[in-house]
Amino acid sequence: QQQVKQSPQSLIVQKGGISIINCAYENTAFDYFPWYQQFPGKGPALLIAIRPDVSEKKEGRFTISFNKSAKQFSLHIMDSQPGDSATYFCAARTDTGTASKLTFGTGTRLQVTL
Amino acid sequence: GAVVSQHPSRVICKSGTSVKIECRSLDFQATTMFWYRQFPKQSLMLMATSNEGSKATYEQGVEKDKFLINHASLTLSTLTVTSAHPEDSSFYICSASLGFGKLFFGSGTQLSVL
Repeated sequence: QQQVKQSPQSLIVQKGGISIINCAYENTAFDYFPWYQQFPGKGPALLIAIRPDVSEKKEGRFTISFNKSAKQFSLHIMDSQPGDSATYFCAARTDTGTASKLTFGTGTRLQVTL
Repeated sequence: GAVVSQHPSRVICKSGTSVKIECRSLDFQATTMFWYRQFPKQSLMLMATSNEGSKATYEQGVEKDKFLINHASLTLSTLTVTSAHPEDSSFYICSASLGFGKLFFGSGTQLSVL
């Protein structure tokens, strides 16, 4: 119930291409869906996030598409660049009553080639 | 964005010693901080939720006597790995909540126990 399933595990995209990472969840209590970017040896950084009452959110080259009925959401990286090469985690929030708790997906290692 | 400072970034210690990791929110007050553990090429695993002025809430399977968490102020939480052993070697990451699931992460601490 608490899982967030993320795919693919790894992804290779050519420079200028579109990177697409997908996540799916079961728990309808999730009410906030952030994406994090992590470089090796560093902590994750918040990239973009969406609430379930919105179907799409765009910030620069990054877009989240959200399908509430299918319980799926995805991250699209347009015009992918070598500097985008990192591990991406989707996450979903629940409210424990005392704090927000994030459940993370398993991560996608993105490599953008020249 | 909000800044979370974590140090040390890397620590090597002998088996049986204790190691303290500090996590500070530099430009905001965080009533709640979280501690995660991450194994190579894996997702973040929540260890505990730290609330200022109260006892930490540990996730199932996390030994509270081994991983001591103190959240003495609104800007500082510490994780002490007591009597560390090689199996405790891992990447430890803290995060601070800015409300409604907006988590900002520290840069992580790579612990190596010899």
